[in-house]
Amino acid sequence: DGGITQSPKYLFRKEGQNVTLSCEQNLNHDAMYWYRQDPGQGLRLIYYSQIVNDFQKGDIAEGYSVSREKKESFPLTVTSAQKNPTAFYLCASSTWTQPPYEQYFGPGTRLTVT
Amino acid sequence: AQSVSQHNHHVILSEAASLELGCNYSYGGTVNLFWYVQYPGQHLQLLLKYFSGDPLVKGIKGFEAEFIKSKFSFNLRKPSVQWSDTAEYFCAVNAGTGGFKTIFGAGTRLFVKA
Repeated sequence: DGGITQSPKYLFRKEGQNVTLSCEQNLNHDAMYWYRQDPGQGLRLIYYSQIVNDFQKGDIAEGYSVSREKKESFPLTVTSAQKNPTAFYLCASSTWTQPPYEQYFGPGTRLTVT
Repeated sequence: AQSVSQHNHHVILSEAASLELGCNYSYGGTVNLFWYVQYPGQHLQLLLKYFSGDPLVKGIKGFEAEFIKSKFSFNLRKPSVQWSDTAEYFCAVNAGTGGFKTIFGAGTRLFVKA
């Protein structure tokens, strides 16, 4: 089955620790995205990547970092600098050559930092 | 800056009632428009999309949406809702030249009473 996998589904961390969320896709999409979903705020873009070894900051990149070493993988690190890291994180992918570029989403990771 | 506004945050309907969820966007150029749905415990998935052509688009599960360019609107409709339509619905827009700047609305939580 083609799709996007995110792991783990639930993640708990202590304040001050960095944590990395996994995202893998087998849809052969060039573009990948990370969003944060908070109640009543919709999805806000953290980072996106159009091709391997290249990525761009989204609207709320502060306190997050990413890498794109492989086309299939786009891990997100939530650093200790992120002031309010507890949230639901969604990874998505899309084509880059065929409009309208609808995005396909993973199941999400719910991160709780205490 | 682009923005997407969804008129209702919470909607409660009885089965067989008609549904209309409002969505307005702010962007003056060519746009691609989407409605995504997030059923309880499931991935965010595409419900329907507008790219070009007929402004009345049909999606899965009997949903449709109408693009009215003069009103910057893309309202979602269904003539008769079912209990299984209980979900959160997101309107989204991108500017057509690339998917990376897809802007999502805050979402509308629909609860359908059996």
